[in-house]
Amino acid sequence: QLQQSGPGVVRPSQTLSLTCAISGDSVSNNEVAWNWIRQSPSRGLEWLGRTYYRSSWTTDYAVSVKTRITIYPDTSKNQFALHLNFVTPEDTAVYYCVREEVTKRFDYWGQGTLVTVSS
Amino acid sequence: DIQLTQSPSTLSASVGDRVTITCRASQSVSSWLAWYQQKPGKAPKLLIYKASSLETGVPSRFSGSGSGTEFTLTISSLQPDDFATYYCQQYGDYTTFGQGTKLEIK
Repeated sequence: QLQQSGPGVVRPSQTLSLTCAISGDSVSNNEVAWNWIRQSPSRGLEWLGRTYYRSSWTTDYAVSVKTRITIYPDTSKNQFALHLNFVTPEDTAVYYCVREEVTKRFDYWGQGTLVTVSS
Repeated sequence: DIQLTQSPSTLSASVGDRVTITCRASQSVSSWLAWYQQKPGKAPKLLIYKASSLETGVPSRFSGSGSGTEFTLTISSLQPDDFATYYCQQYGDYTTFGQGTKLEIK
């Protein structure tokens, strides 16, 4: 199960920060990856990036947000986080954390967090 | 990025109908394609992965086929619970999603 937390409103030019707490699995599981995906009426479902552990930690980011995004694991809390810098109203969306298992099934999704970028 | 185009964008059908949704990729994704169902206010739910494999717990009236650049999702006999929006997803090259097909009651 994935439980998301974070603010629902972020000011323009500030940083959007969300966390995804994992239960029933481990963020260090070397057969899964942990993704962030967002959904908006204008952009549809958009993959933002992922982090995963094999023999070391790896992150991959979408080109569209690569200069503004950080995804990182917190092994002490068994969770992973999303930071998106310098947000604009175009970053307004429902954000989901998603588990991707070894056969590339995106099988578990968080409940979604609506983040509105507004002053 | 690999682009996915779904058709139709909207589909009107009745309970008991057989319906098919198509997803076309801008380049080959082999069989790395999944289908999701989404209802308002909920996260997408995985139905089909690897083009034709049925996710555990998903009714057998759902089926997927295709490879390369053309894929289909078929619902053999629509049930009231099936009216929702459906998305295809490729994961041959990172991941992208189609724009969605809204399945409405006729």
